[in-house]
Amino acid sequence: NAGVMQNPRHLVRRRGQEARLRCSPMKGHSHVYWYRQLPEEGLKFMVYLQKENIIDESGMPKERFSAEFPKEGPSILRIQQVVRGDSAAYFCASSLARGGYGYTFGSGTRLTVV
Amino acid sequence: ILNVEQSPQSLHVQEGDSTNFTCSFPSSNFYALHWYRWETAKSPEALFVMTLNGDEKKKGRISATLNTKEGYSYLYIKGSQPEDSATYLCAFTGDNQGGKLIFGQGTELSVKP
Repeated sequence: NAGVMQNPRHLVRRRGQEARLRCSPMKGHSHVYWYRQLPEEGLKFMVYLQKENIIDESGMPKERFSAEFPKEGPSILRIQQVVRGDSAAYFCASSLARGGYGYTFGSGTRLTVV
Repeated sequence: ILNVEQSPQSLHVQEGDSTNFTCSFPSSNFYALHWYRWETAKSPEALFVMTLNGDEKKKGRISATLNTKEGYSYLYIKGSQPEDSATYLCAFTGDNQGGKLIFGQGTELSVKP
């Protein structure tokens, strides 16, 4: 079991470009969570998805950010028209069931906006 | 606003010292308290998930206690080793949060040989 796979590990984008971050959950896990770590800050919840559904997006900025978890394929966090303030480490976690048990994190994608 | 506080922010100890850190969390609507160990450039590694008041968990030299009534948890490391150097995160899940974790800022532990 390869664990939670995130790619790319590092992503550099110019201001105004789009960033797509991918997360493949652990085999059998249907719950996916995205977190963001801004410089000098802790991990902050962004969005919780369960196959094809967004369950909680209360931590996601209202504009430019979107997330999906299709029936087939990885979960995607999409940031349109990136700005310097989007530079951060984005972590994905998956779990077998709702409630946070068996939470497993990926190694993160470090986004740098230049 | 749900707040999780950890102290101290950082800790420097000598090899062999025993140490402990604190995590404070909301005492209402409690569901679970998680402890993670996080090394730079790696993914957070789950140490414990605790749900019951008075719970104590142990994994090797690391143990944790939980007090849900007063809203705190302690993490203890006995006989610290250089390989214990990492950031230790606690995270709270409320019973109406659906699995969303609210993280503290972490305690950065450095163990010198």
